[in-house]
Amino acid sequence: LAKTTQPISMDSYEGQEVNITCSHNNIATNDYITWYQQFPSQGPRFIIQGYKTKVTNEVASLFIPADRKSSTLSLPRVSLSDTAVYYCLVGAGAAGNKLTFGGGTRVLVKP
Amino acid sequence: GAGVSQSPSNKVTEKGKDVELRCDPISGHTALYWYRQSLGQGLEFLIYFQGNSAPDKSGLPSDRFSAERTGGSVSTLTIQRTQQEDSAVYLCASRWAGTGGTDTQYFGPGTRLTVL
Repeated sequence: LAKTTQPISMDSYEGQEVNITCSHNNIATNDYITWYQQFPSQGPRFIIQGYKTKVTNEVASLFIPADRKSSTLSLPRVSLSDTAVYYCLVGAGAAGNKLTFGGGTRVLVKP
Repeated sequence: GAGVSQSPSNKVTEKGKDVELRCDPISGHTALYWYRQSLGQGLEFLIYFQGNSAPDKSGLPSDRFSAERTGGSVSTLTIQRTQQEDSAVYLCASRWAGTGGTDTQYFGPGTRLTVL
């Protein structure tokens, strides 16, 4: 699995947009980029997945440049409840893939 | 069910005892994973089941750890002769692994294991 690098922590305020960039320089052609969110004492929760360009759902947007060596998770207008750890992962869509989670980015949303 | 369930939610045991942790995956999901997460750390892969194929046990830290999946559904992770370093949250995830399936795994709430 491609190694990922993301900031250890980020602070923000309610109502602001939070952007978390993940580097994955050795991403493979058939790798997808997936982001998970984890609250304390809970299992990770799937947020969004993409392959290229831009993906948007009701929770977040994912921006992927043409070279796919990085990706940016964008959380619009965060609230206190968005305080969590966010993990970026890359991996192939084939069966047998096991996720390798790094340390993630701890996002703290302040009032 | 609607999501992945795990039991028990918390388990406190004494060093040297055996423990069994249970995972009920999402109905229809053929792939099942076990991970563990130590305090403040990322997830560590333990074992992976896919249909009737031999499981990928490459992440099991020692031979005290084993897992089985009966009938392609429920899975049990067994830790024998528990040690204090086994204390962690054990997470189970399942995934639909049909043709064209991607990496999306759905996690249960985890079992918090404390070895005294």
